[in-house]
Amino acid sequence: EVQLVESGGGLVQPGGSLRVSCAASGFTFSSHYLSWVRQAPGKGLEWVAIINQDGSEKFYADSVKGRFTISRDNARTSLYLQMNSLRVEDTAAYFCTIDVIGRHWGQGTQVTVSS
Amino acid sequence: DIQMTQSPPSLSASVGDRVTITCRASQDINNYLAWFQQQPGKAPKALIYATSSLQSGVPSRFSGSGSGTDFTLTISSLQPEDFATYYCQQYNDYPLTFGGGTKVEIK
Repeated sequence: EVQLVESGGGLVQPGGSLRVSCAASGFTFSSHYLSWVRQAPGKGLEWVAIINQDGSEKFYADSVKGRFTISRDNARTSLYLQMNSLRVEDTAAYFCTIDVIGRHWGQGTQVTVSS
Repeated sequence: DIQMTQSPPSLSASVGDRVTITCRASQDINNYLAWFQQQPGKAPKALIYATSSLQSGVPSRFSGSGSGTDFTLTISSLQPEDFATYYCQQYNDYPLTFGGGTKVEIK
């Protein structure tokens, strides 16, 4: 069974940093693109970033480019999102997903940016 | 960036109704379109990819169609568990973009 378990969310002040993680199991981790998608409270889905199988290609939404970094550790079957210079508008649930078609989703981790 | 526009934003329907949701892309996306269902308080669930291919385990009452810039998600006979919000997403180009969502409510 495919499992994606996000962790690392929490409350952070504007301008601060946070790293969220996604622990994966139940599929061949190193064979798939992986994405982060977020959802602000009461709002729709927003794609954040994607990384290819070996981490050599990464793409970002304009809203996070230069502030967020996606990475992966295939040996640990884990996906990461390093978030720097956080803004109030980054407040959202962050989901990890498999492939560009979002084949499976984790349950999400909540990030709140507030003073 | 490719803009995705869904309509209607919300609809009311009864169990057993046929429901159609539309999604329009701002440019040709070569049928690289996916649909997701999100129930309140839960993570999204993948329904359809490549416009009309059902994800594993998705009931056959769900179907997708379209081409070019215009796409539809159809639920042939609405079931109680189908009351949720539905999103389309294009993956023809980066950044990947979602539609604004369509909330299907009980009439």
